[in-house]
Amino acid sequence: QQQVKQSPQSLIVQKGGISIINCAYENTAFDYFPWYQQFPGKGPALLIAIRPDVSEKKEGRFTISFNKSAKQFSLHIMDSQPGDSATYFCAASINPGGGADGLTFGKGTHLIIQP
Amino acid sequence: DTGVSQNPRHKITKRGQNVTFRCDPISEHNRLYWYRQTLGQGPEFLTYFQNEAQLEKSRLLSDRFSAERPKGSFSTLEIQRTEQGDSAMYLCASSLSSGRRPLLSTDTQYFGPGTRLTVL
Repeated sequence: QQQVKQSPQSLIVQKGGISIINCAYENTAFDYFPWYQQFPGKGPALLIAIRPDVSEKKEGRFTISFNKSAKQFSLHIMDSQPGDSATYFCAASINPGGGADGLTFGKGTHLIIQP
Repeated sequence: DTGVSQNPRHKITKRGQNVTFRCDPISEHNRLYWYRQTLGQGPEFLTYFQNEAQLEKSRLLSDRFSAERPKGSFSTLEIQRTEQGDSAMYLCASSLSSGRRPLLSTDTQYFGPGTRLTVL
């Protein structure tokens, strides 16, 4: 059973445009939602994360929007640049306090920013 | 370099052989995680340690897999009697647990570059 569903599988955006990736989760016990960026041959690197007590978090060009009632969250990349071309993963975990448990990842979105 | 390191980076083995991977977490990080990632998929959680104690194991971790973290520092992941289906990237991550409801920053799992296993 896939607990975090991510879409689209691939995305092509023009330079300067807005890239939007969506995720939906099933387990209402999840309370930590990070987004990771992965380049070929590298491990995932944290981009931005959010807890369900806020609806939006912005860090630079990256914004997470969170809808608790719909059990959905999304990543928006503003002013997308060719260097943003990578695979993006949403994830979720249960944090009872004292640190995160194992992350449940989506299947990933392969993002290509065209110059 | 103070990040998470993994060795070896690549391992090619024949079916039926045993393999062992090592992960060195960020210094003073008390949590260490193992994940498996197959081509075109997201990482799948295998197990994690808090210090030397193994706190959770995924059902993906069959009896052929064993992980240890002696003295709460580096960790090893051993796969016995490898099968072709074990071919994947094995990722290690570490984080710092504060012992109470943490700030987001202490939840961050920092990933290593991974060990790519190919079973022939």
